[in-house]
Amino acid sequence: GDSVTQMEGPVTLSEEAFLTINCTYTATGYPSLFWYVQYPGEGLQLLLKDTKADDKGSNKGFEATYRKETTSFHLEKGSVQVSDSAVYFCALDHTGNQFYFGTGTSLTVIP
Amino acid sequence: DTGVSQDPRHKITKRGQNVTFRCDPISEHNRLYWYRQTLGQGPEFLTYFQNEAQLEKSRLLSDRFSAERPKGSFSTLEIQRTEQGDSAMYLCASSLSFGSSGETQYFGPGTRLLVL
Repeated sequence: GDSVTQMEGPVTLSEEAFLTINCTYTATGYPSLFWYVQYPGEGLQLLLKDTKADDKGSNKGFEATYRKETTSFHLEKGSVQVSDSAVYFCALDHTGNQFYFGTGTSLTVIP
Repeated sequence: DTGVSQDPRHKITKRGQNVTFRCDPISEHNRLYWYRQTLGQGPEFLTYFQNEAQLEKSRLLSDRFSAERPKGSFSTLEIQRTEQGDSAMYLCASSLSFGSSGETQYFGPGTRLLVL
């Protein structure tokens, strides 16, 4: 069945460091892929998404490229800030009827 | 746009009791989703509604769980005869769907259930 595998955390980085959080998926065809973020004390919110292979989604300095050949959707940011400290979830929507989330990766950015 | 709201935010109950949670979606959204999230895990899909119709149910949704969305607006999730394993955060989300995949879901703050 469909699934999402996400890099385990927690991840601790210094401010301005480069961030990568790996996400790979298992699904037939071309699912839609998402990154959701959960800031402390808040609900999940969409960070970015891609619905087509080879697309690159971006938001708030974060980027992720939908790579069909490696079934991956890794999240990257060139220079993290303390305010980026949160839990990041990779997610998949295959048919519009089934939705799968990864286990989440906790990021702490220290000044 | 007041966002997705859930009530109550916290619920403590004894094993064997029934509990009911409410979700109010964003007003123009036609889809409403329920998820369960346990500590250290991502949200697990339970079910979703398109307007008042319940279109998909996960195998996680045992016969002790029932969800309704009677008028296509708010939804309730009831758990009967609660068990300690039901302790989790129950998340509601809504979206404006045109029938394809890739639509953004907007999440509520969740209801945290503790079964003693």
